[in-house]
Amino acid sequence: DTGVSQDPRHKITKRGQNVTFRCDPISEHNRLYWYRQTLGQGPEFLTYFQNEAQLEKSRLLSDRFSAERPKGSFSTLEIQRTEQGDSAMYLCASSLGTADRFGYTFGSGTRLTVV
Amino acid sequence: KNEVEQSPQNLTAQEGEFITINCSYSVGISALHWLQQHPGGGIVSLFMLSSGKKKHGRLIATINIQEKHSSLHITASHPRDSAVYICAVARYSGSRLTFGEGTQLTVNP
Repeated sequence: DTGVSQDPRHKITKRGQNVTFRCDPISEHNRLYWYRQTLGQGPEFLTYFQNEAQLEKSRLLSDRFSAERPKGSFSTLEIQRTEQGDSAMYLCASSLGTADRFGYTFGSGTRLTVV
Repeated sequence: KNEVEQSPQNLTAQEGEFITINCSYSVGISALHWLQQHPGGGIVSLFMLSSGKKKHGRLIATINIQEKHSSLHITASHPRDSAVYICAVARYSGSRLTFGEGTQLTVNP
């Protein structure tokens, strides 16, 4: 197992376009998380899955954002009609269980630039 | 006010110095994580602790639950320790982490 993989590493898109990011977690990890990080800030929670169920979504996840985890394996995060404010690093992480008992393993992130 | 506050925001040290980074939080938690982020974005988990002290190599993390405070210490700092160090907290049975803004550490040779 090579850890958590995210694809692409970098994405430049024009305002108004749709983008989709993929995350492949560690295979035995049933929890998968998406966070967003802007420059100079700590990561902010977007959403998380336990297996294929999306159990929590942040207020940050507007109607333009959607995440899926079909079959409880990889996950995708789609942003529709991108805006310049969506420019950020999108981080995926996975874990064996709750954050009060298990550590996270992070991917390297996808850096999105909306021009 | 953020739920998780770190200090200092930026820290510059000379190689060999003892480093301390502080984290204070305002909510009830069951665990606190220290993480390291290098340029390019990758985040590595350093410690998860809910009480007392943990040590790994030159890194030491302590937590005082009553005072809602944790510290990360680096002994005999080295330029390769240069990174952003982030504190994050987990609520009871919570899945999400709430992150501080990070401390940018630069260790000069």
